[in-house]
Amino acid sequence: GESVGLHLPTLSVQEGDNSIINCAYSNSASDYFIWYKQESGKGPQFIIDIRSNMDKRQGQRVTVLLNKTVKHLSLQIAATQPGDSAVYFCAENNRNTGGFKTIFGAGTRLFVKA
Amino acid sequence: GAGVSQSPSNKVTEKGKDVELRCDPISGHTALYWYRQRLGQGLEFLIYFQGNSAPDKSGLPSDRFSAERTGGSVSTLTIQRTQQEDSAVYLCASSHLVPGELFFGEGSRLTVL
Repeated sequence: GESVGLHLPTLSVQEGDNSIINCAYSNSASDYFIWYKQESGKGPQFIIDIRSNMDKRQGQRVTVLLNKTVKHLSLQIAATQPGDSAVYFCAENNRNTGGFKTIFGAGTRLFVKA
Repeated sequence: GAGVSQSPSNKVTEKGKDVELRCDPISGHTALYWYRQRLGQGLEFLIYFQGNSAPDKSGLPSDRFSAERTGGSVSTLTIQRTQQEDSAVYLCASSHLVPGELFFGEGSRLTVL
């Protein structure tokens, strides 16, 4: 079935460096994308979203890039901090489901070394 | 409460028993979602509710799984005749906007012995 996947299952970065987490999606009908952060023992927490009519969106220390040509999504975290250590999920949503069915990828675990 | 509340937080049951998991969404959120997360894996979509209606039940793994929502608020996920492969964290989320940000509870961890 359709799925959202990630290139790297784990990522280890030095504190203060920038992190880039990548995601590939397979459904060309997907028009809304979201990044979530999940800390151990908790539910996922929204980070940032982007719609398909955009290719870049910035938040506080985070930037999401969308390349619809190659169906690729990335999350950039600037000046990575120990508190950023978590599992990051990309998720997609498409108009064919009325916007309700949000499909999550497998996740990337980010380790931040002090 | 301010967030999505799920109960029980932990449930250990014997194979073959039925379990019921409860979700209290954020007040006013019309959309409610159930996901399953096995250890170290991603979130598997199970079902969503638009109000009390569940238009798409195709994500439910088998006919042992059912869910309902009453009064546009509380939802229950029922698993009948539990199997060991049902062991997972069951996450509930709600949202006001569709599509939009999902607000998750902390999940119900189910262990089937």
